[in-house]
Amino acid sequence: EVQLLESGGGLVQPGGSLRLSCAVSGFIFNTYAMSWVRQAPGKGLEWVSAISSSGASTYYADSVKGRFTISRDDSKNTLYLQMNSLRAEDTAIYYCAKDGRGNYISYFDYWGQGTLVTVSS
Amino acid sequence: EVVMTQSPATLSVSPGERATLSCRASQSISSNLAWYQQKPGQAPRLLIYSASTRATGIPARFSGSGSGTEFTLTISSLQSEDFAVYYCQQSNKWPPLTFGGGTKVEIK
Repeated sequence: EVQLLESGGGLVQPGGSLRLSCAVSGFIFNTYAMSWVRQAPGKGLEWVSAISSSGASTYYADSVKGRFTISRDDSKNTLYLQMNSLRAEDTAIYYCAKDGRGNYISYFDYWGQGTLVTVSS
Repeated sequence: EVVMTQSPATLSVSPGERATLSCRASQSISSNLAWYQQKPGQAPRLLIYSASTRATGIPARFSGSGSGTEFTLTISSLQSEDFAVYYCQQSNKWPPLTFGGGTKVEIK
C-alpha cells in the first residue's frame, strides 16, 4: 500500500524558516518524481515544487523560487521542502504528491494527508 | 504559464442526475490533463489522467474527454459520495504545473 506522511508544519513568524518532510512507503521511491502542492485556507490547489527521481533536477513556482528548496533522501525514502523567508501568503496546507509516470512530471496518483503551515506574528 | 479555467464554479445537481464539468486551457495541452476530486478535510484524489483514462479504482460513472484546449469531466449518475470539489490540472507545459480553480458539485 502506497503511503505518504508529511510532517514539520506549524506556526512560524514572517521571515522564519521551516522544513517539511514526507516519508513514503509502498513503492520504489527512487524511481518516481515527487512534488509539493499547497492549498491556502478555502482556496484551490497550487503546485509549489518538483524533483526528478534522481534528484538531479528541481523545479519551482515563481512564488517560491529562491526561498524554498526541494530535496530527497532515497536512503530514508523521504522528500523534503526547506522553506525560508516565509511570508503570510505561504500559509497553507502542504501536500506531498507522487508522480504517476515515474521520472516524468505529470499527474499525481498518490497524495499525503497534508501538513499545515501558518505564517503569522 | 498555461492558465486553466473551470466552469461553472458551482454546480447544483440532484442525486442520480448527470453532471458535466468543463475545463479550458489557455493554450493547447494535447491530452496532458488530469482530474482530481477533493472532499472537505481530505487530500485530492486522482480520478482521470491523460484526459480520459480512469485511475485505479475509480468507478465507471466518471469519464473524461477532450483534447487541445477543451476538456470535460462527466459523472453519469451522481451518488451521495460524489458531492465534492473537482480540479483539473495540466502537465503539458511546465514549470509551472497548473490547476484550475475548481468546480464545487453540491446537492440540489
